[in-house]
Amino acid sequence: EDQVTQSPEALRLQEGESSSLNCSYTVSGLRGLFWYRQDPGKGPEFLFTLYSAGEEKEKERLKATLTKKESFLHITAPKPEDSATYLCAVQHLAGGTSYGKLTFGQGTILTVHP
Amino acid sequence: KAGVTQTPRYLIKTRGQQVTLSCSPISGHRSVSWYQQTPGQGLQFLFEYFSETQRNKGNFPGRFSGRQFSNSRSEMNVSTLELGDSALYLCASSLGLGGAGYGYTFGSGTRLTVV
Repeated sequence: EDQVTQSPEALRLQEGESSSLNCSYTVSGLRGLFWYRQDPGKGPEFLFTLYSAGEEKEKERLKATLTKKESFLHITAPKPEDSATYLCAVQHLAGGTSYGKLTFGQGTILTVHP
Repeated sequence: KAGVTQTPRYLIKTRGQQVTLSCSPISGHRSVSWYQQTPGQGLQFLFEYFSETQRNKGNFPGRFSGRQFSNSRSEMNVSTLELGDSALYLCASSLGLGGAGYGYTFGSGTRLTVV
């Protein structure tokens, strides 16, 4: 069964203090690893999809990387508006009835203080 | 471009009742997935519909069911509500089955409270 573990559970940063969030996963054949951001009372907002080890993607202050067992979301010089819960999810390769299923981690709650 | 629309936003039901939630996907998206989000279990996959057929199903009891219409709109039904069904129910749409295209876009969810 697919498993996703995110760490830390919560992270407090000062504005401008760079850091990384971790997502370790166990999946029988990875089709894609997704990063989402979720604000209170809202649905997850798509950030990145990574498909193979070594792949990297960037968007503003965020950079996601992928290895065979984990993914990192690096946040460079964060701002208070980056405060949110960051969710990681994996989807495994086609086959069976769980093809379209995303398995989510519990998320990392990021708080950036001004 | 309109996003994924879920109605209603908030709902309060009594234990034992049934409830129907609605999801309108992004125009052109043919796949709709449903997830349950709770503080203890996080986001858990319920099912995915594509071309009016349920293609994938998570580990939830038969009280949870859904359907998809020819215009790709989807409804989710929960019968004989239990207190533990209180959660945020999220709908996600994608161009193709399994997130084919550009992945999944989520709606803002329906907050269901069972009393």
